[in-house]
Amino acid sequence: GAVVSQHPSRVICKSGTSVKIECRSLDFQATTMFWYRQFPKQSLMLMATSNEGSKATYEQGVEKDKFLINHASLTLSTLTVTSAHPEDSSFYICSARISMNTEAFFGQGTRLTVV
Amino acid sequence: TQLLEQSPQFLSIQEGENLTVYCNSSSVFSSLQWYRQEPGEGPVLLVTVVTGGEVKKLKRLTFQFGDARKDSSLHITAAQPGDTGLYLCAGEYGNKLVFGAGTILRVKS
Repeated sequence: GAVVSQHPSRVICKSGTSVKIECRSLDFQATTMFWYRQFPKQSLMLMATSNEGSKATYEQGVEKDKFLINHASLTLSTLTVTSAHPEDSSFYICSARISMNTEAFFGQGTRLTVV
Repeated sequence: TQLLEQSPQFLSIQEGENLTVYCNSSSVFSSLQWYRQEPGEGPVLLVTVVTGGEVKKLKRLTFQFGDARKDSSLHITAAQPGDTGLYLCAGEYGNKLVFGAGTILRVKS
């Protein structure tokens, strides 16, 4: 299957700083990328849908100014957690797909810890 | 309210037992996927079901899509410790892939 690479896999940052997570599709062009958040022993909650070249669509309750998403190319999307706080600590996962209704491939996730 | 209701949320069984996980919705889905996720990793796709009434088998795993394409089930025969993990159903909703709450399966040897 296609490969989606997410970086970093783990990051620890101080409260008040910003953290950038990258999601790359390595062997295909992804018109759509999704960002999910997952708490321990819970399911994936969709945060936003990112289409290349346009603004991301955020789910209800997700602060767009706090979770900045950029999808500048067909192979790269970034999620920046701005002014991080301990409650932002979570497992963040991206997925990418070639087009609508095609298989979504997932990154390996990023464990963010804000201290 | 979850678009996809998944049950049970947690299942702890002995090696060799059978189990079924259910995924239900009031909405019709063009397709449903089942994923398995291990701690600290992204989910891995097990199967996609597309046609109402479809049954797919993957070794000891049997997946079924309801006739009305609103529900699906995952049945595991003779569970093994290696089956331990988080099982997730997911469905297309608009242009989004949304997930059920997940089932944590623990198979004890």
